[in-house]
Amino acid sequence: DAGITQSPRHKVTETGTPVTLRCHQTENHRYMYWYRQDPGHGLRLIHYSYGVKDTDKGEVSDGYSVSRSKTEDFLLTLESATSSQTSVYFCAARAVAGVRNEQFFGPGTRLTVL
Amino acid sequence: DAKTTQPPSMDCAEGRAANLPCNHSTISGNEYVYWYRQIHSQGPQYIIHGLKNNETNEMASLIITEDRKSSTLILPHATLRDTAVYYCIVRVMDTGNQFYFGTGTSLTVIP
Repeated sequence: DAGITQSPRHKVTETGTPVTLRCHQTENHRYMYWYRQDPGHGLRLIHYSYGVKDTDKGEVSDGYSVSRSKTEDFLLTLESATSSQTSVYFCAARAVAGVRNEQFFGPGTRLTVL
Repeated sequence: DAKTTQPPSMDCAEGRAANLPCNHSTISGNEYVYWYRQIHSQGPQYIIHGLKNNETNEMASLIITEDRKSSTLILPHATLRDTAVYYCIVRVMDTGNQFYFGTGTSLTVIP
């Protein structure tokens, strides 16, 4: 699993409050990703990072921001949470080199916005 | 990255081979076919990938047609623990951007 942890694992919050989810990896992977998963949609990419301080938008980035100040940490922030952001959030990391070029996923964070 | 099409669900008897199809008719010459699976709310897990040759590892086999427009993931002896959602993805190997997971195939292995 490439040592990927996510915190918190579960969170319930109210509409309009800021929320930050943390992804931490121990393998020094260059690329990191945030996905959300909703019924009927599979996994959809929110933002990704290709290095420290280098990030880019995915297909569902509206309402989310990210930051990567260290290789090992990738933060996802909901500035003002809405009920439509209730979802399961997965973080992933990928090395630059390697035969398989695979993404390693964290265990997920279940976020409920009331 | 090219789009993929998979059946939404399949059943397979325990101990039999599970054959999961994927259509990727717009695949480009430099795009690889990847398979991941997601077991009940866990993060997705890599299974196998290939470019044009058939591939086999300890988990599965990947059969890619000669024109590369479709592929089949084969789980040779399905067990109950193989019940999961299976995603077929095509992408260029060296880019850092996203994998498009789609909605996958929900495989149920029946005792």
